[in-house]
Formats: sequence, C-alpha cells, structure tokens
Amino acid sequence: QSALTQPASVSGSPGQSITISCTGTSSDIGRYNYVCWYQHHPGKAPKLIIYDVGKRPSGVSDRFSGSKSDNTASLTISGLQIEDEADYYCTSFATDTTLVFGGGTKLTVL
Amino acid sequence: QVQLVQSGAEVKKPGASVKVSCKASGFTFTDYYMHWVRQAPGQGLEWMGWINPNSGDTKYIQKFQDRVTMTRDTSISTAYLDLTRLGSDDTALYYCALNYCSGNCYQIHHWGQGTLVTVSS
Repeated sequence: QSALTQPASVSGSPGQSITISCTGTSSDIGRYNYVCWYQHHPGKAPKLIIYDVGKRPSGVSDRFSGSKSDNTASLTISGLQIEDEADYYCTSFATDTTLVFGGGTKLTVL
Repeated sequence: QVQLVQSGAEVKKPGASVKVSCKASGFTFTDYYMHWVRQAPGQGLEWMGWINPNSGDTKYIQKFQDRVTMTRDTSISTAYLDLTRLGSDDTALYYCALNYCSGNCYQIHHWGQGTLVTVSS
C-alpha cells in the first residue's frame, strides 16, 4: 500500500484559485468514488472538507470543490483567503479495505 | 455532541509498548467505525487501521500488521491502540478518529485531541 501522491506545496494570492492534485492507482482512486480531502491547521484537528470525490459537508464553503479523473483526484479552492493557508490531505478507500492518505500539500497564501 | 477524549502523553524506551485510549461520548459507540491515524514530527498523516466497535473486527495496514492491536471496551465506550516494539520512528501524535456515518462511508468527521508518544532512550 503506497501513499497517494500530492505536490509538497502550492501557493496563491488572495482571490486566486489553486488546484491540488492527488494521484493514486487503479486499486484506490481509480476504482472507487470514495476520495476525501482534509484541511489541517497545525495544532488543530484535521477538518473534512470534501467527501465522495466532490461532496461538501454541511458548513464547508462552496469555494472548495473536488473532482476526479481516472487515478487522479483534485481539490480546487477558489477565491483564496488568508485562512485557507493550511496543509491539505487527500484520502481514498482501497481494494484491501484500507484507507490510504496522500503525503499532504502545504498551501501558502501569499 | 460527539467527543473523543484520548489519554495523555507517553514517553517510552525503544523496544517498549504503548497503549493509547480514546473515550467516546455523544453517540452510540458501537454504530460507527473508529480509525487510528498518526503524524510524526514534520511528516504527514498516516492511517494505521480501523476497528468495528460492534464486532471487534479490525483492519491494519501491512506496515503495522505484526505490531499493532486495536481493541475496544463497549461497556465504557472506549477504543484502544496497542503498539509494540517501539522504535524512534514511532514518535508521533496518535489520533483516534470517527467514521460518523454508515454504509459505504469512508470519511472521518471527528478527531480526538491526539496523544503524543515519544520514543527515546
């Protein structure tokens, strides 16, 4: 079981849009629509922001959106805000009934 | 409201074992899977496994297969993580985390506050 691949870092200016990719395999992202994204501010608990590829939990801003193509999932944050600066992690259900996390992406809002 | 309260920080010597507890409240403990996730200093989140509190069935990732045991005590709504043969690379913040939905549901909605385990000689 290998971790999903995410870029180590991305950056953007307030108001801009950014996209974070998450690449897996045909045994996880490519097989199931059970991709989640979590926002993690240091020192706090991670927060679920996207589940089942593109669904948002109640209370999560519609500036966050998710999608998937083949073995790659993506998180897009539009209208970047200072408070979006955090680490972002993708996860996927996998064929061996485990969850696999991405390595995490540090978002810097310049 | 849903709460997951974990046991306090631990300092262990290499080769020792550690047991972390996670007391749940605010929901029916046996209805939802519980995950264990860890984060080593400067590293990302790492999923370790999960337990079905109703049946006690577990699933661990291969990396921890021979060192980890996840159990629960339904009488006190508490989940446990046992990790043996600790090494310095097991130094991490360990979270219990709740899969607060049923059926084909693989989302984590609630997290404990984390338990810092430090392995040092």
